[in-house]
Amino acid sequence: LAKTTQPISMDSYEGQEVNITCSHNNIATNDYITWYQQFPSQGPRFIIQGYKTKVTNEVASLFIPADRKSSTLSLPRVSLSDTAVYYCLPRAGSYQLTFGKGTKLSVIP
Amino acid sequence: GAGVSQSPSNKVTEKGKDVELRCDPISGHTALYWYRQSLGQGLEFLIYFQGNSAPDKSGLPSDRFSAERTGGSVSTLTIQRTQQEDSAVYLCASSLAGLAVNSNQPQHFGDGTRLSIL
Repeated sequence: LAKTTQPISMDSYEGQEVNITCSHNNIATNDYITWYQQFPSQGPRFIIQGYKTKVTNEVASLFIPADRKSSTLSLPRVSLSDTAVYYCLPRAGSYQLTFGKGTKLSVIP
Repeated sequence: GAGVSQSPSNKVTEKGKDVELRCDPISGHTALYWYRQSLGQGLEFLIYFQGNSAPDKSGLPSDRFSAERTGGSVSTLTIQRTQQEDSAVYLCASSLAGLAVNSNQPQHFGDGTRLSIL
């Protein structure tokens, strides 16, 4: 199973760029890396997905180095509403899906 | 269309009782997943359905837990003889395609059922 490691928590001031890095050492060749956002009392919500290099959408950017053993979610100019838990999920290459504890991002006014 | 719907949103029951949790996936989604999330913890995978079959049940914590899916749509997670350690939020997700080798469809989650065992 792919095991992920993310920081447990991060604090940021409003308007700053936030980068959250996830390591996934034994990612399989065909696996994409997907990031989810979870607010309290809600289910996780898909943010962005990528395979290699850089992917950008209206919400975030995802940077994946050539060895694909890590990925970095970048949130530009965060606001209070970005306070949430962020999970990275490299698909395990099997049926089991291993979400870690995620990174709790607190945005400070 | 509508997202993943779970019912009930909250369930309080006494230890030893059986409970049934329901998940209505997004129409057309062939894959369905159940997870458990304890307070302040990450998501613990329970079971995955591709259509009506469950290729992987290894995440079910004990034989008190079972799940079924009928008609390739609605799924029910049943917990028999509930224990206090079963208290958690049970989340369901669905995706357009399942976990085939080249399928990386993102999952769409419901808001879960919060189960409290007294």
